[in-house]
Amino acid sequence: GQNIDQPTEMTATEGAIVQINCTYQTSGFNGLFWYQQHAGEAPTFLSYNVLDGLEEKGRFSSFLSRSKGYSYLLLKELQMKDSASYLCAVRRVTGGGNKLTFGTGTQLKVEL
Amino acid sequence: GAGVSQSPRYKVAKRGQDVALRCDPISGHVSLFWYQQALGQGPEFLTYFQNEAQLDKSGLPSDRFFAERPEGSVSTLKIQRTQQEDSAVYLCASSLDGSYEQYFGPGTRLTVT
Repeated sequence: GQNIDQPTEMTATEGAIVQINCTYQTSGFNGLFWYQQHAGEAPTFLSYNVLDGLEEKGRFSSFLSRSKGYSYLLLKELQMKDSASYLCAVRRVTGGGNKLTFGTGTQLKVEL
Repeated sequence: GAGVSQSPRYKVAKRGQDVALRCDPISGHVSLFWYQQALGQGPEFLTYFQNEAQLDKSGLPSDRFFAERPEGSVSTLKIQRTQQEDSAVYLCASSLDGSYEQYFGPGTRLTVT
C-alpha cells in the first residue's frame, strides 16, 4: 500500500516564508508532484521532483529525499492569494502506466 | 489554447438514477485520468486511459462505475444507480503522455439526494 502524510493546515503571515512537508511510503516511486488547489477550483501544477535535491521556480521551491521518503514545498514572499490547499502527490509505475496518489492536502491560510 | 473542460459543472441526482459525466482533454494529450475528490480530501485515482485503451481501472469503487474513451479523445464517466456515498467532485486530468504533469479540469460536483 501507500501512505502520504502532510499537515492538515498551516497559517503564515503575508511576506513570510512557509515550508509544507510531505512524507510518503510507496513502491515503484517515479516522481513527486506538488499541486495548488483553491477552493472550488481544479488543482494546478506547481512542481515536480524525481531526483534528490531542490527545484526552484520563482517564489516556489520543492525538495526531495528519496531515501527518507520526504519532500517539502517552500513558498517565499507569501501573498494573500497563496491561501489555498497544497497537495503532495506521488507517482507510481504500475502495470497500466503511471498514476498519482495524493495526500489529503495542507490548507494554508495567509494572514496580514 | 483551451484547457481541460468538464460538463456538467454541477449535477444533482436522486438516489438510484444514472449519471454521465463528460471530459474534454487538451487536444493531443494521450493520457486521461479520472479522480474522485471528497470534501477536504485529496483526489483519489479512479481510472486511466492511454488513447482509447483503459489501462488501469483499479480505483473504480464498484461495478456501478464505468468509463470510456472510444475515440481516444473525449471521455465519459458513467455511474449507475447512484448512491449518497457517490457525492463528490469528479476531476478529469490529461497529460501529453503518462510521464508528464497532469492538467486538471474544473470538475463536476455530483450531489446525490
